[in-house]
Amino acid sequence: GAVVSQHPSRVICKSGTSVKIECRSLDFQATTMFWYRQFPKKSLMLMATSNEGSKATYEQGVEKDKFLINHASLTLSTLTVTSAHPEDSSFYICSALREGKQFFGPGTRLTVL
Amino acid sequence: AQSVTQLDSHVSVSEGTPVLLRCNYSSSYSPSLFWYVQHPNKGLQLLLKYTSAATLVKGINGFEAEFKKSETSFHLTKPSAHMSDAAEYFCVVSFNTNAGKSTFGDGTTLTVKP
Repeated sequence: GAVVSQHPSRVICKSGTSVKIECRSLDFQATTMFWYRQFPKKSLMLMATSNEGSKATYEQGVEKDKFLINHASLTLSTLTVTSAHPEDSSFYICSALREGKQFFGPGTRLTVL
Repeated sequence: AQSVTQLDSHVSVSEGTPVLLRCNYSSSYSPSLFWYVQHPNKGLQLLLKYTSAATLVKGINGFEAEFKKSETSFHLTKPSAHMSDAAEYFCVVSFNTNAGKSTFGDGTTLTVKP
């Protein structure tokens, strides 16, 4: 139980375009989800906390207008990288909170050309 | 504030020898502590967790960790390394007062030599 999926697993896009990444809790409802970014050979950096039915809470230094988060249902949160640039290339991982524990998705590899 | 420090960025062991990955934390509250493993280009997999029950925690794949409050440590061990253990390992601290918000260590890369 407590499975979290992400779609797509890999995406390549051109500079200036927008990319949407989905995070789904498959067998439980999650009012809170988290979005992380992982740089090569680095730890995970928390970007934002996604709350169902309300605005996301962004960490300091994360541009809310660039990384749009929508948590429209209890099983789905989306992260949209707007006007992507090569420096946005990274591994993005989401997690869903269940009974105080985080369950992580498999991650999405974004490459911006 | 909460923080977590993984003392070694790289650890190299020979197959069949013990593994020790070190983690220290700082906190103002009683923490929950986790170890996750990440294989190349994969997501995170939970190895084990401590949530104020038994201080010696057994996880998957033969890993275990001991919570030592006096030393603020939560080191990960395995008696005998296997080639498939080569991966990145993250120590994570979380506090219920932060509604599950977690802080990750910088990770330790484990290399297993044949």
